[in-house]
Amino acid sequence: AQSVTQLGSHVSVSEGALVLLRCNYSSSVPPYLFWYVQYPNQGLQLLLKYTSAATLVKGINGFEAEFKKSETSFHLTKPSAHMSDAAEYFCAVSDWSGNTPLVFGKGTRLSVIA
Amino acid sequence: DTAVSQTPKYLVTQMGNDKSIKCEQNLGHDTMYWYKQDSKKFLKIMFSYNNKELIINETVPNRFSPKSPDKAHLNLHINSLELGDSAVYFCASSQDARGTGYTFGSGTRLTVV
Repeated sequence: AQSVTQLGSHVSVSEGALVLLRCNYSSSVPPYLFWYVQYPNQGLQLLLKYTSAATLVKGINGFEAEFKKSETSFHLTKPSAHMSDAAEYFCAVSDWSGNTPLVFGKGTRLSVIA
Repeated sequence: DTAVSQTPKYLVTQMGNDKSIKCEQNLGHDTMYWYKQDSKKFLKIMFSYNNKELIINETVPNRFSPKSPDKAHLNLHINSLELGDSAVYFCASSQDARGTGYTFGSGTRLTVV
């Protein structure tokens, strides 16, 4: 079975500081990996995805993530946090076979301090 | 023009009632899903349909019954509502069952009192 673990249920950064949200996955087959963002009282929006092409994936709003097979990680980064980045972030895993739906991590709440 | 729309957005109802949540997507996607997000924000798959056929049915009480009249619609009917059913329910769709990027609806917040 596939799973993801997000380290840290809450991360707080200062405006302008580096954002690093950690995600480790477990999968017996080559994974597809995703990051989603959820703003308060809204649905989930896809930030970026890895589907076995380039290991460094760039997404919307200046976010990027790097797939590291040796570390089974897919951490999300942004060089400079903005107040508008405050939200809940979810890492998710699927696979190429289509036999499993997206499995989500428990989420990390990002707070940005002025 | 909303890609995945759910109605209603909010639903407050008493224990024991029966209620339905509707979902429609205009993306031409083949696969649709229902997810439940609990009070701790944890998202768990409930059902998945591909071209109107049920392909995933997780361990969900049989009080929950999905129905897909066509591939653009996936509704969720809940019988005999319980307090523990209070959650946010999200509908989503994807181009294929591999889920190479889901599009989510804005959610239905169900409160059972």
